[in-house]
Amino acid sequence: DGGITQSPKYLFRKEGQNVTLSCEQNLNHDAMYWYRQDPGQGLRLIYYSQIVNDFQKGDIAEGYSVSREKKESFPLTVTSAQKNPTAFYLCASSSSADTQYFGPGTRLTVL
Amino acid sequence: SQQGEEDPQALSIQEGENATMNCSYKTSINNLQWYRQNSGRGLVHLILIRSNEREKHSGRLRVTLDTSKKSSSLLITASRAADTASYFCATEGSSNTGKLIFGQGTTLQVKP
Repeated sequence: DGGITQSPKYLFRKEGQNVTLSCEQNLNHDAMYWYRQDPGQGLRLIYYSQIVNDFQKGDIAEGYSVSREKKESFPLTVTSAQKNPTAFYLCASSSSADTQYFGPGTRLTVL
Repeated sequence: SQQGEEDPQALSIQEGENATMNCSYKTSINNLQWYRQNSGRGLVHLILIRSNEREKHSGRLRVTLDTSKKSSSLLITASRAADTASYFCATEGSSNTGKLIFGQGTTLQVKP
């Protein structure tokens, strides 16, 4: 059953805490992406990776970090430097500069 | 940065009617894509139109692209209650990085 998965579905963070969101794909896609979505808004790109061991900042990378040690995995860490992290986070992957396939999302809430 | 602007922001129609959503963008593109998002879920790809194409069909969906006006439209014919969702346009620029820039979306409600 091919696809892209994200975990957890819901995540709660205390002030000053780092949290890591998981994104895994078994579609054999080279490229992976992290987006943030705020209520009633479109998606904004946080980080993207076109190949293993390489990644680039998107439009709103401040306060976030990523790694791409394996083709299948692209975890996102929301650091304490991100002052307003409450949002819906979406991961996507693609095989080319073309259609992106999205995971179900993680809703992060700061307590 | 968000390149796309979508119009209208919200649309409410009766089942069986057609729904038209518009998207405008600012810079040159390789392609323009439309995605659908049900509430609280991930996005699902609907259709992609390349910069050298003017119209594309997929089932009840019809997409047009006017690169001279930097605009696109998505038409859903014979709408169903299950079409209720948010619809986003996304543009891929000429840099071939695969980066998509999303519009803010149109929320469609189809009343049974």
